[in-house]
Amino acid sequence: SQKIEQNSEALNIQEGKTATLTCNYTNYSPAYLQWYRQDPGRGPVFLLLIRENEKEKRKERLKVTFDTTLKQSLFHITASQPADSATYLCARIHGSSNTGKLIFGQGTTLQVKP
Amino acid sequence: GAGVSQTPSNKVTEKGKYVELRCDPISGHTALYWYRQSLGQGPEFLIYFQGTGAADDSGLPNDRFFAVRPEGSVSTLKIQRTERGDSAMYLCASSPRGEADTQYFGPGTRLTVL
Repeated sequence: SQKIEQNSEALNIQEGKTATLTCNYTNYSPAYLQWYRQDPGRGPVFLLLIRENEKEKRKERLKVTFDTTLKQSLFHITASQPADSATYLCARIHGSSNTGKLIFGQGTTLQVKP
Repeated sequence: GAGVSQTPSNKVTEKGKYVELRCDPISGHTALYWYRQSLGQGPEFLIYFQGTGAADDSGLPNDRFFAVRPEGSVSTLKIQRTERGDSAMYLCASSPRGEADTQYFGPGTRLTVL
């Protein structure tokens, strides 16, 4: 089955440091992986999408990598701020067709301390 | 413009009752998705509409759950004979035609079954 695994332990870091979150997937590589941010009691907010043939993608202080050999994506937030504190979700597309059906990991909670 | 809206934001009901959850997608978005999220978990896919038809309902847990989208815009998720295990956050997302890889989530409806 196609699964997404994220570290369920919360990640606590100091303001200004780089946060690195891990997403591992099983089975064959998806066409793309997505990262979302979710604040308590709110819906997920799309952050970045990285395709199978892209090794790295950046958006402002965010960087995502996609390693099909390790079956892993890393999500980095540089110069982290307390406002970055949230739960970050990784998601893969289900199957090979682009129906939009997403499989999510359980999310990793990031806490940035001032 | 306006994002995805969901009503009610909170719903408390008693075991055995019937509930309806409503989703208003972003205007013009043809694809609509329902997900369910339990505490500490990522969203789980329930059903996907392309226009008025349910293109994929493989995530509906049993026949107590069904959803409609009669005019290709607003969707209603209906749960019959609710059980305590149905308690969760129900999320709706929409995406434009041809851009299924970018889903915009609503704020969710928190359902509590007593």
